[in-house]
Amino acid sequence: QITLKESGPTLVKPTETLTLTCTFSGFSLTSSGMGVGWIRQPPGKALEWLAIIYWNGDKLFSPSLKSRLTVTKETSRNQVVLTVTNMDPMDTATYYCAHRVPLYDVFDMWGQGTMVTVSS
Amino acid sequence: DIQMTQSPSSLSASVGDRVTITCRASENIKRYLHWYQQTPGKAPKLLIYAASSLHSGVPSRFSGSGSGSDFTLTISSLQPEDFATYFCHQTDSTPWTFGQGTRVEIK
Repeated sequence: QITLKESGPTLVKPTETLTLTCTFSGFSLTSSGMGVGWIRQPPGKALEWLAIIYWNGDKLFSPSLKSRLTVTKETSRNQVVLTVTNMDPMDTATYYCAHRVPLYDVFDMWGQGTMVTVSS
Repeated sequence: DIQMTQSPSSLSASVGDRVTITCRASENIKRYLHWYQQTPGKAPKLLIYAASSLHSGVPSRFSGSGSGSDFTLTISSLQPEDFATYFCHQTDSTPWTFGQGTRVEIK
């Protein structure tokens, strides 16, 4: 059974860096084809894909946020870490990590999400 | 970026109704189209992947169709637990994008 859970601060100040950790079980990010993605959802709004990291270390980022995003994997801990620099109130959202299925790049299992508010 | 446009943005329906939601892509995305269901305060749940494949454990009243740029999600007989928001999602090319959502409400 695949599970994922996001953790990190619930409140950050403008210009600060956000660091979120996705801790997962039920699969290994060393297995060929595996991937973990990050998606966010501002309150009452649509979903926005941010980034993905693959089993082989390859990464893809949303171009609109690429300069502010970093994603790394800690395979021994079954964790993926997302950092977002220079946080702005517009970055207030629920942040989700999700398991990627190789076929069609679909996210078949999501974490519960963590709400991050950006405010001074 | 590929724009995903869902219609309607919301609808009211009764238990037992047949419900259809459409999603249009701004470019040809072949069959790289997936549907999710989201209830308030919860993470999205995958319903349909690759336009028409039913995800494991999803009731058969859900079905998807389409290819290219026009896609449809159909709920054949709406159940109480189906009142939720539905999103389409394309993974044909990055940045992967989502539709704005269709809220299905109780009539």
